Amino acid sequence: EVQLVESGGGLVQPGGSLRLACAAVGFTVNSNYMGWVRRAPGKGLEWVSVIYSDGTTYYADSVTGRFTISRDNSKNTLYLQMNSLTTDDRAVYYCARDLVLAAGGIHVAAFDIWGQGTMVTVSS
Amino acid sequence: AIRMTQSPSSLSASTGDRVTITCRASQGISNYLAWYQQKPGKAPNLLIYAASTLQSGVPSRFSGSGSGTDFTLTISCLQSEDFATYYCQQYYIYPRTFGQGTKVEIK
Repeated sequence: EVQLVESGGGLVQPGGSLRLACAAVGFTVNSNYMGWVRRAPGKGLEWVSVIYSDGTTYYADSVTGRFTISRDNSKNTLYLQMNSLTTDDRAVYYCARDLVLAAGGIHVAAFDIWGQGTMVTVSS
Repeated sequence: AIRMTQSPSSLSASTGDRVTITCRASQGISNYLAWYQQKPGKAPNLLIYAASTLQSGVPSRFSGSGSGTDFTLTISCLQSEDFATYYCQQYYIYPRTFGQGTKVEIK
């Protein structure tokens, strides 16, 4: 079964750091396009970041310079390092995998597999 | 960044109703558009990609259309399990952006 299991959420003070982890089961992280999406309480979904199989990364303007997406191939795990956190970063964070069509291996930049989400609270 | 605007923000409907949600992009995005469904406490679920292609396993009562700047998601015969929040998302250019969501509630 293909699934993503997140961990690492919790309570952190403003200005602090946190690293989220997302373990993949049933497929390899480094050969897929992987990303993060968040949803703040009472708000909608916000795209955060993506890492391509070749290591190329992209970020939302709101997190550029503060967040870093990475992966550990030996652990088959995706990470999101979050620094200089503010109360605006409070949200449920989801890791997800981009869709790759079985026919032709075409990459579609839409997330078809999602983790269960992990809550990040930024508060003093 | 491309701004995605959904309408309405919420709607009330009954089971069996036909429901249409619209999504407008602030600039042309060809057909690089996806639709997701999210239920409370759950992760989003991909319904449609490339504006009109149904994701595997998604019921055929869901359909999508549009190209350029204007898109629609239609649920032809609303079922009880369809009450949820729906989001559009463009993947034409980075950063990818979502619409603000449309909540479909029981009338």
